[in-house]
Amino acid sequence: DSGVTQTPKHLITATGQRVTLRCSPRSGDLSVYWYQQSLDQGLQFLIQYYNGEERAKGNILERFSAQQFPDLHSELNLSSLELGDSALYFCASSPRTIYSVDEQFFGPGTRLTVL
Amino acid sequence: AQTVTQSQPEMSVQEAETVTLSCTYDTSESDYYLFWYKQPPSRQMILVIRQEAYKQQNATENRFSVNFQKAAKSFSLKISDSQLGDAAMYFCAYQGGSEKLVFGKGTKLTVNP
Repeated sequence: DSGVTQTPKHLITATGQRVTLRCSPRSGDLSVYWYQQSLDQGLQFLIQYYNGEERAKGNILERFSAQQFPDLHSELNLSSLELGDSALYFCASSPRTIYSVDEQFFGPGTRLTVL
Repeated sequence: AQTVTQSQPEMSVQEAETVTLSCTYDTSESDYYLFWYKQPPSRQMILVIRQEAYKQQNATENRFSVNFQKAAKSFSLKISDSQLGDAAMYFCAYQGGSEKLVFGKGTKLTVNP
């Protein structure tokens, strides 16, 4: 158990819908990262938050957005869902944003299926 | 942009034998970190081993060791005395100044009894 929790574990929805994925980082970790794992694109970085502020953006679609709340939990919002958004979404956390070898601890992931 | 390449989509090894998984990367940065992650069928991402680019000594964690060749931009993982529980997808990952992890496509390792 990494200490990072993600809910829900599985989500099945229809095209055009909107969903919210939730992540609680390890106690004390200020940085949260979101990654998408799909069959065709592999594991890709989406976005990073540090202590409530957006830190870095990767290959995140405009239909996707995220935020980190004062209690440091984070939510990834996916809207106007398409079949191709079906994937495993990981949240990871690390203690700080200063460039270091801090390990990123991964949550168990949320499996999103868009029908 | 940094890229990570794993040229072996699948590998197999006999239990108790040794196997080496390959990884190459491309970067213009001088300071960075490299990682091997294991993803078993449960889909959990588990850190296996990490290497700081400024360290010449290859990292070792029990049965897992790396061969880090900075000039060649190569970072292979050696698993000794392979066990059935080692069967998984293995991902090589790069972390540079941007802090995000850049992953390779992965190598599926099968361990035969």
